[in-house]
Amino acid sequence: ETGVTQTPRHLVMGMTNKKSLKCEQHLGHNAMYWYKQSAKKPLELMFVYSLEERVENNSVPSRFSPECPNSSHLFLHLHTLQPEDSALYLCASSQDFWRGNIQYFGAGTRLSVL
Amino acid sequence: AQKVTQAQTEISVVEKEDVTLDCVYETRDTTYYLFWYKQPPSGELVFLIRRNSFDEQNEISGRYSWNFQKSTSSFNFTITASQVVDSAVYFCAPTGGYNKLIFGAGTRLAVHP
Repeated sequence: ETGVTQTPRHLVMGMTNKKSLKCEQHLGHNAMYWYKQSAKKPLELMFVYSLEERVENNSVPSRFSPECPNSSHLFLHLHTLQPEDSALYLCASSQDFWRGNIQYFGAGTRLSVL
Repeated sequence: AQKVTQAQTEISVVEKEDVTLDCVYETRDTTYYLFWYKQPPSGELVFLIRRNSFDEQNEISGRYSWNFQKSTSSFNFTITASQVVDSAVYFCAPTGGYNKLIFGAGTRLAVHP
């Protein structure tokens, strides 16, 4: 148990659906991250939030919309996704977003887009 | 561009063997951090070790040890007396930008009884 919880663990959605992924951390951290892990590419950072403000958007398509209402919760809103968006989406948190802070990961949400 | 190469795609060993996972990285930063993470079948990434670029002292932590050579941009990771529970995908990741982890493709380790 790393202190980072992601729900749901598995999600199947059609290309016209709208769904949301949820991440909650119980570590008192100030920074939260979304990563994408697909079969064809290495783990890649999508977004970084620090104290509820987005500090990095790694050229992610607008069909992915993050939200950080407070430092303990992070959402990833999904709409009109493509089959190539099927992947494992991992959330992480760290004390802050300065270099070298250890990131603690959740177990991920495995998303399948039909 | 920052890049990580984990040349070993898969490694298979028998329990109690020592195993070394190789990592070579490219970075334009003069100071940086290096991490190793483990991803068991359950999916979550588990933090193993962290190293900063300005301290090349190699260390041992339990069954884990690492060899950091800044001159060759290598950060190799060794598991001594491997166990079946060590079976997982292992990722080497230097930091870029703020605290952005740059991941390699990973090395899948299978430890057989």
